[in-house]
Amino acid sequence: GDQVEQSPSALSLHEGTGSALRCNFTTTMRAVQWFQQNSRGSLINLFYLASGTKENGRLKSTFNSKESYSTLHIRDAQLEDSGTYFCAAGDTGYQNFYFGKGTSLTVIP
Amino acid sequence: EAGVTQSPRYAVLQEGQAVSFWCDPISGHDTLYWYQQPRDQGPQLLVYFRDEAVIDNSQLPSDRFSAVRPKGTNSTLKIQSAKQGDTATYLCASSPPSYEQYFGPGTRLTVL
Repeated sequence: GDQVEQSPSALSLHEGTGSALRCNFTTTMRAVQWFQQNSRGSLINLFYLASGTKENGRLKSTFNSKESYSTLHIRDAQLEDSGTYFCAAGDTGYQNFYFGKGTSLTVIP
Repeated sequence: EAGVTQSPRYAVLQEGQAVSFWCDPISGHDTLYWYQQPRDQGPQLLVYFRDEAVIDNSQLPSDRFSAVRPKGTNSTLKIQSAKQGDTATYLCASSPPSYEQYFGPGTRLTVL
């Protein structure tokens, strides 16, 4: 089965608003990465977390290994935030990462 | 610092043809990954190396796919006798001992 369940699968936001994306894990994960995949297909690193919370500009991510989830919060959404967001979680061996199926985000003017 | 580079960027084949993809990881990264990303899906791990050693190739269709990293730097992924179901983007990533992965731009393969 899928080790990483990502939700929602699709999301539309008006410019200036915000929302949260979530990944739930079915097994214990030791680290999580969040990526944005742009229209050209490139995967852009957003966050890498082994625990706790990180913030970068309008983005904030939290990883709770004990409760098996991670979130990505987007505030004040801009048009360039459109794309597909993936989380990838690392298992106890750390170097094997399992990807979720992604959240397709559309920011509407 | 140069990122992960891949070539070619695009490939179009007829079924039954062979193709090779090449990846140059970030200097100093000991771990290298190959992923397959079908359209509208997330990346799926095919194989990964630490230095020149294969750590996990359990998801690599071994009858037609092969991957090598002979000197622990560059890597080649080869598909023998491609099938239409192999149509996807092939992504290479590398990571340092801290484990954060960095991805290349990918090779978009179409098998007709």
